Amino acid sequence: GQQLNQSPQSMFIQEGEDVSMNCTSSSIFNTWLWYKQDPGEGPVLLIALYKAGELTSNGRLTAQFGITRKDSFLNISASIPSDVGIYFCAGQVILGSARQLTFGSGTQLTVLP
Amino acid sequence: NAGVTQTPKFRVLKTGQSMTLLCAQDMNHEYMYWYRQDPGMGLRLIHYSVGEGTTAKGEVPDGYNVSRLKKQNFLLGLESAAPSQTSVYFCASADSNQPQHFGDGTRLSIL
Repeated sequence: GQQLNQSPQSMFIQEGEDVSMNCTSSSIFNTWLWYKQDPGEGPVLLIALYKAGELTSNGRLTAQFGITRKDSFLNISASIPSDVGIYFCAGQVILGSARQLTFGSGTQLTVLP
Repeated sequence: NAGVTQTPKFRVLKTGQSMTLLCAQDMNHEYMYWYRQDPGMGLRLIHYSVGEGTTAKGEVPDGYNVSRLKKQNFLLGLESAAPSQTSVYFCASADSNQPQHFGDGTRLSIL
């Protein structure tokens, strides 16, 4: 099946620093999504990208849908302690009437005070 | 994660036992999904449903069955649990043009 390569696997940063993570794939996706998962909870949607080349912001978060439709990045500016968690990218394809997601393996973010 | 409720939240089973995980959503979504999440990996799709009475296989369907008798509920069954099925299971639902919303997960251990 399709696979996403998400990097880095983990990051340790100082509070206030900016963060960047990305996902690449050998396959084309119709939609790119970025989720955050806190311990003991399910993934929560941060940003959804629907068009190649699209750049979307949500507060301190900015994400882009790569022009080739095979990659996406997420930036977090001026990190704060509550940014700690696991960030997942997900690529979506439409198969018949269903929309299927393929997830990256996640980026574990630790923010040091 | 208001809207998608998973029960139970935790469960320990012995090898060979059976059980059913329940997912309920109150957003009138057509699409529902079951995933498993293992350490160091992203979520992998087990089965999904595009509407009441329909189900389809995902990436890792072996050892699981599902049913969607009512639009708001999606059940995941393990007929004969195996240690390899120890995982965290997530349910999600979505409208046709919207991203998936996830429940808080069911942590399942098979001894």
